[in-house]
Amino acid sequence: SQKIEQNSEALNIQEGKTATLTCNYTNYSPAYLQWYRQDPGRGPVFLLLIRENEKEKRKERLKVTFDTTLKQSLFHITASQPADSATYLCALRGDAGNMLTFGGGTRLMVKP
Amino acid sequence: DVKVTQSSRYLVKRTGEKVFLECVQDMDHENMFWYRQDPGLGLRLIYFSYDVKMKEKGDIPEGYSVSREKKERFSLILESASTNQTSMYLCASHGAGVHGELFFGEGSRLTVL
Repeated sequence: SQKIEQNSEALNIQEGKTATLTCNYTNYSPAYLQWYRQDPGRGPVFLLLIRENEKEKRKERLKVTFDTTLKQSLFHITASQPADSATYLCALRGDAGNMLTFGGGTRLMVKP
Repeated sequence: DVKVTQSSRYLVKRTGEKVFLECVQDMDHENMFWYRQDPGLGLRLIYFSYDVKMKEKGDIPEGYSVSREKKERFSLILESASTNQTSMYLCASHGAGVHGELFFGEGSRLTVL
């Protein structure tokens, strides 16, 4: 069956360090993968999209990698700040139709 | 500023009541979606719609129905609410093109007593 897995345990890091979150998938052949940020009690907000032919994508302090051989995407936040504390979700489209499927999300806590 | 607006942020209903959750987007998007989000289960797709009067079942449609009479509005209906439908409901939309990012509303937290 198709699965998208993110570490369900919260990631706690110190301000200024790089946070690295992982998204693993099985039985998908996605053309692209998306990352979203979700704050408590709010809807997710789109951050980045990376296509299968892109190894890496950057946006300000964010960097995403996409390894279709390992079936894995890594999401990095450099020089992390307490304001980066949130849950981060990866998402990809399955084989059928227009449905975007989400991983369970990883909660990031950045301590001052 | 693009927006997806959900009519109610918090609702409390009784078992057996009919519940309407309304969602409106101002981006002229063709595609609209209803998800529910529960701790440990993540976001799960209930229904989606490609166009006016079109609807498709997602992963967990049982106990729900939807209505899309106008392009900008997508409603989720719980015909007879049950306690296991207590959840956060999220509406989203995206434009034409398969790669579109989803724009989410703020969510509607429904409690069924």
